[in-house]
Amino acid sequence: AQSVTQLDSQVPVFEEAPVELRCNYSSSVSVYLFWYVQYPNQGLQLLLKYLSGSTLVESINGFEAEFNKSQTSFHLRKPSVHISDTAEYFCAVSDRQGAQKLVFGQGTRLTINP
Amino acid sequence: GAVVSQHPSRVICKSGTSVKIECRSLDFQATTMFWYRQFPKQSLMLMATSNEGSKATYEQGVEKDKFLINHASLTLSTLTVTSAHPEDSSFYICSAPLAGKYNEQFFGPGTRLTVL
Repeated sequence: AQSVTQLDSQVPVFEEAPVELRCNYSSSVSVYLFWYVQYPNQGLQLLLKYLSGSTLVESINGFEAEFNKSQTSFHLRKPSVHISDTAEYFCAVSDRQGAQKLVFGQGTRLTINP
Repeated sequence: GAVVSQHPSRVICKSGTSVKIECRSLDFQATTMFWYRQFPKQSLMLMATSNEGSKATYEQGVEKDKFLINHASLTLSTLTVTSAHPEDSSFYICSAPLAGKYNEQFFGPGTRLTVL
């Protein structure tokens, strides 16, 4: 079984400041890793994912995450945030051999202050 | 991109009634769909895996007789909350994986259920 821990339930930052949202996972098998974003009153959208290959993955809107196997982490970073990045961010894992079931972390609410 | 819809988006019902929630994949076929439950300010918890043409697979602790799932076609899965009670009030979200994009799931916008 897998579990995901997002250490920060809320992260307030100022616009144009850098941000890191932390995610650690636990699993007895190899996993795929994901970050999803949920904007207010909307469904979840895939932000980025790690399946294999380069441990650093990037999204089209400037976010990146790095898979660290030794630390079982997949932290999400952005060097300069915008007001539009205000949302709930969920880290998730799925078993590489499983039926695509996702296990989610508790979520981190990112609030951008002007 | 692939779109998943849910209907209704919001429903309020009296205790003891049953409520049906639909999940549709609009521009792709999905032999598998997933149903999640999200309590306020909490994460998504997988309830069950809906399988087209066969029985759903429920996660541990989820009552299959209370949360009836029917995957009637390759684009439609329904979740029926039977004899709903206030503790069933929650945000219900479905998702469907897109064939050829393994492990990328597309999520519906969710259904807010309030049981009075």
